[in-house]
Amino acid sequence: GQNIDQPTEMTATEGAIVQINCTYQTSGFNGLFWYQQHAGEAPTFLSYNVLDGLEEKGRFSSFLSRSKGYSYLLLKELQMKDSASYLCAVVDSNYQLIWGAGTKLIIKP
Amino acid sequence: DAMVIQNPRYQVTQFGKPVTLSCSQTLNHNVMYWYQQKSSQAPKLLFHYYDKDFNNEADTPDNFQSRRPNTSFCFLDIRSPGLGDAAMYLCATSGTGGGTDTQYFGPGTRLTVL
Repeated sequence: GQNIDQPTEMTATEGAIVQINCTYQTSGFNGLFWYQQHAGEAPTFLSYNVLDGLEEKGRFSSFLSRSKGYSYLLLKELQMKDSASYLCAVVDSNYQLIWGAGTKLIIKP
Repeated sequence: DAMVIQNPRYQVTQFGKPVTLSCSQTLNHNVMYWYQQKSSQAPKLLFHYYDKDFNNEADTPDNFQSRRPNTSFCFLDIRSPGLGDAAMYLCATSGTGGGTDTQYFGPGTRLTVL
């Protein structure tokens, strides 16, 4: 079967750095997305990785290791508005998008 | 601004009473998707249209139907809602429909079944 694993919930402090991990076991791999979803709202695109390494985009960075079936999303200089769920989604060999259940990030002052 | 619009944002229906959710897009994308998302769960793809070609996921119940009368609009019909169908329903679009294409989501419709 196909599986995406993310921690259910994480807590961090405003101004700090947090890393949200995602491990996957899928039939093939054609890329990995990270989406942000605020409570009661739609997911919004954050990043897409298809090659190994770190991609930085402002306060957010995403890392991929295809050999390890592993990605992480790194959030720096945390702000209260970063409180949201972060969903990892993998494109499999059939170009289907396999979604994780998301990690709920709670930011405390 | 180009966007994906869903109406209504909140929908209440009674057990067994048919309901229709709507989605429109101004992005001129070829592909439109319908997802069901329950609390703290991954979005579950129900079906998608590549232009007018309808693609049903194997495990989508027959109770769920969809229509896409034109490029801009797509509808989700739930013929006989059950209590288990209470969820957020998300509409999304993408340009080409390839799995590597970014999907753009509407704000969702939260369905309550009484």
